[in-house]
Amino acid sequence: GAGVSQSPSNKVTEKGKDVELRCDPISGHTALYWYRQSLGQGLEFLIYFQGNSAPDKSGLPSDRFSAERTGGSVSTLTIQRTQQEDSAVYLCASSLVSRQGDGYTFGSGTRLTVV
Amino acid sequence: SQQGEEDPQALSIQEGENATMNCSYKTSINNLQWYRQNSGRGLVHLILIRSNEREKHSGRLRVTLDTSKKSSSLLITASRAADTASYFCATDAGTYKYIFGTGTRLKVLA
Repeated sequence: GAGVSQSPSNKVTEKGKDVELRCDPISGHTALYWYRQSLGQGLEFLIYFQGNSAPDKSGLPSDRFSAERTGGSVSTLTIQRTQQEDSAVYLCASSLVSRQGDGYTFGSGTRLTVV
Repeated sequence: SQQGEEDPQALSIQEGENATMNCSYKTSINNLQWYRQNSGRGLVHLILIRSNEREKHSGRLRVTLDTSKKSSSLLITASRAADTASYFCATDAGTYKYIFGTGTRLKVLA
């Protein structure tokens, strides 16, 4: 597609439930990133996928968080047993690493609210 | 962890004035990027400056980089109300992964 697409745009869930957030990157972009932004804060790195390499999961805050990227394209971020502190905007970005000067292209994010 | 820290945290100026935001980081970098974020959602890439560059221009934007001081600045000249947004610097942490700072909230008053 023309841009990075994220769904849903908003998600309200009850504490303890699992949620899945989806990211559809720009076609041909080999790198995909997930970040989290709490209200009024900066971006917190979560996970990074690059081609067929093992993902960099160093930013995942707990084992309740996991992500996968199927076929080098769409990615799903899963949060199990959600907690109120998980409430944030989850941002996905993709990039063509061979053209680093272009930077990341971000999606519009998923606003997750855990009640 | 390596992170860019922007200052000021918030900046309010009149339309037509220049806005300057600063970013400091902790460890050596290959590149530094600046992004803009409107309304707390997706970020837009503004400019990338490499460690061997000292200054870069893009339209009304001017970015400088001082690797000896581990700092960068973003200057927006002749600001407009539409420039109202949060601005973030991002420094590479190796292998194309970038760490973002906490941002500067810019408000341009018409």
